[in-house]
Amino acid sequence: SQTIHQWPATLVQPVGSPLSLECTVEGTSNPNLYWYRQAAGRGLQLLFYSIGIGQISSEVPQNLSASRPQDRQFILSSKKLLLSDSGFYLCAWMDSGDAFFGQGTRLTVV
Amino acid sequence: EDQVTQSPEALRLQEGESSSLNCSYTVSGLRGLFWYRQDPGKGPEFLFTLYSAGEEKEKERLKATLTKKESFLHITAPKPEDSATYLCAVQGDYKLSFGAGTTVTVRA
Repeated sequence: SQTIHQWPATLVQPVGSPLSLECTVEGTSNPNLYWYRQAAGRGLQLLFYSIGIGQISSEVPQNLSASRPQDRQFILSSKKLLLSDSGFYLCAWMDSGDAFFGQGTRLTVV
Repeated sequence: EDQVTQSPEALRLQEGESSSLNCSYTVSGLRGLFWYRQDPGKGPEFLFTLYSAGEEKEKERLKATLTKKESFLHITAPKPEDSATYLCAVQGDYKLSFGAGTTVTVRA
């Protein structure tokens, strides 16, 4: 069966520090992959999506970037974090019409 | 641009009191409408995907229906463990666009 791994679960980082969040999927090939951010009490904002290795589409201009170095690996990065980057980051994958989420990373920038 | 509007924002129910959540959408070429359940501090849990008007899917006390402009999530005889935020999303091309969610609280 397919599973999605996202880590770390929580992260506290100082302003100006770099960021790397990783997401990996098991049990499927060539899935669509997504990064979302959810602010407290709000809906999910799509940040990036990828339909294949090296193919990244950005939805919102911001301080973040994404990469897909392998078929089932999706990485969210920042060179210098801002306070406004705090939030709940969720990775998702889609295959054969259904879409599943990881358990998320709670990022607090201090 | 795809848009999803969910109503109501919050719903308080007595145990056993059935109700419905609404998801209105505009999308260019619907490829799927998704329902999720989200508990506080957790990632969304997949419930259903609906693909065409008239389609219905059920899971335990939940039933999702789809028309050309909206979807309903019916909760029949809810229990306290059904308390959660329910999210609706549409897929137009490759993107999933989400509504803000409906927070359901079921009191015993």
